[in-house]
Amino acid sequence: DSGVTQTPKHLITATGQRVTLRCSPRSGDLSVYWYQQSLDQGLQFLIQYYNGEERAKGNILERFSAQQFPDLHSELNLSSLELGDSALYFCASSPYDPGELFFGEGSRLTVL
Amino acid sequence: DAKTTQPPSMDCAEGRAANLPCNHSTISGNEYVYWYRQIHSQGPQYIIHGLKNNETNEMASLIITEDRKSSTLILPHATLRDTAVYYCIVRVSGGYQKVTFGTGTKLQVIP
Repeated sequence: DSGVTQTPKHLITATGQRVTLRCSPRSGDLSVYWYQQSLDQGLQFLIQYYNGEERAKGNILERFSAQQFPDLHSELNLSSLELGDSALYFCASSPYDPGELFFGEGSRLTVL
Repeated sequence: DAKTTQPPSMDCAEGRAANLPCNHSTISGNEYVYWYRQIHSQGPQYIIHGLKNNETNEMASLIITEDRKSSTLILPHATLRDTAVYYCIVRVSGGYQKVTFGTGTKLQVIP
């Protein structure tokens, strides 16, 4: 158990819909990272937050947005969903920069 | 961040040492080498990291060449549970950065 909690674990929705994925980092970790992993693909970096502020941005689609709240949990919002958005979405937290990333077990999104 | 190159796949006999190479020829002086692994579709797991010196922990050893252009992750006695995709990444200290993972090496431990 990494200490990083992601909810929901599984989510099935339809094209055009909007979903929110939630991440609770390890206690005390200020950095949160989001990754997308499509079937048999590598981990694609989406975005990083540090203590509520955006730190780095990857190739995150405009339909996607994220934020980190004062209690340090983070949410990834995916809207106007397309079939190609079906993937595992991982959240990771880190105690310092650079530091080891501790990953959650992921949220598996299926768009039908 | 410097780019890394890893072989796409490797096999290792159970009980033998698994040596996973990583090339990071453009690494700069303040970049650390990190190794992670991902077992099936689980969340990736941190293994070890280093800057210049060789490092060892309960999971593995990390050997970094003197010129720091390459490194090797060593699993001393591979077990079937070590079958996974292993990622080598480099990260600079401080600043704003994307933490990117490549395609890694798929290690198959064979009975």
